[in-house]
Amino acid sequence: NAGVTQTPKFQVLKTGQSMTLQCAQDMNHNSMYWYRQDPGMGLRLIYYSASEGTTDKGEVPNGYNVSRLNKREFSLRLESAAPSQTSVYFCASSEDGGLYNEQFFGPGTRLTVL
Amino acid sequence: AQSVSQHNHHVILSEAASLELGCNYSYGGTVNLFWYVQYPGQHLQLLLKYFSGDPLVKGIKGFEAEFIKSKFSFNLRKPSVQWSDTAEYFCAVNSGGGADGLTFGKGTHLIIQP
Repeated sequence: NAGVTQTPKFQVLKTGQSMTLQCAQDMNHNSMYWYRQDPGMGLRLIYYSASEGTTDKGEVPNGYNVSRLNKREFSLRLESAAPSQTSVYFCASSEDGGLYNEQFFGPGTRLTVL
Repeated sequence: AQSVSQHNHHVILSEAASLELGCNYSYGGTVNLFWYVQYPGQHLQLLLKYFSGDPLVKGIKGFEAEFIKSKFSFNLRKPSVQWSDTAEYFCAVNSGGGADGLTFGKGTHLIIQP
């Protein structure tokens, strides 16, 4: 099993450009998450999807949109990138969204917005 | 909203020294607690978790953590660190009944000197 995979690994954008970060998991998990990691800030939740067909905002959703394409895939879209979105983005998944919720993380996408 | 505090942002130790990293959370109800580790250039990996039962939990690579409910704490310990323990360590809490993700601390950057 590959676990959680993310593409691309690195990306450089100019301000105003758009892009989609892809995430897929092969563990048959119901819940999926997008986090961003910034120095000294830990990980902050952007959006999550409790199950196929549902998405909800997390702590820092502004400037992002998500799509839960099917049970395996959960994409994150930046419609008009800004320098403040320079960060490392992690996708994660868990079996379900309940309290007993161990999350498995992907390798991350390092995004720079110039 | 719940919060997680990690007391030390940077820790430098020599090999064979003992380690204790502090973690406190704010939520007063039922919580599940996690410690994740991020080695340089890698994604987050689960070190250990506490769901219920014995408050002293053992994880991988000789790490352990103690849940003290009265102190809202979940400190990470290791009796004798190795150079390979150099990494970023994150404490995280899940108190939600829904799939609303984990709340992470800001992380502790641990450097082990040979």
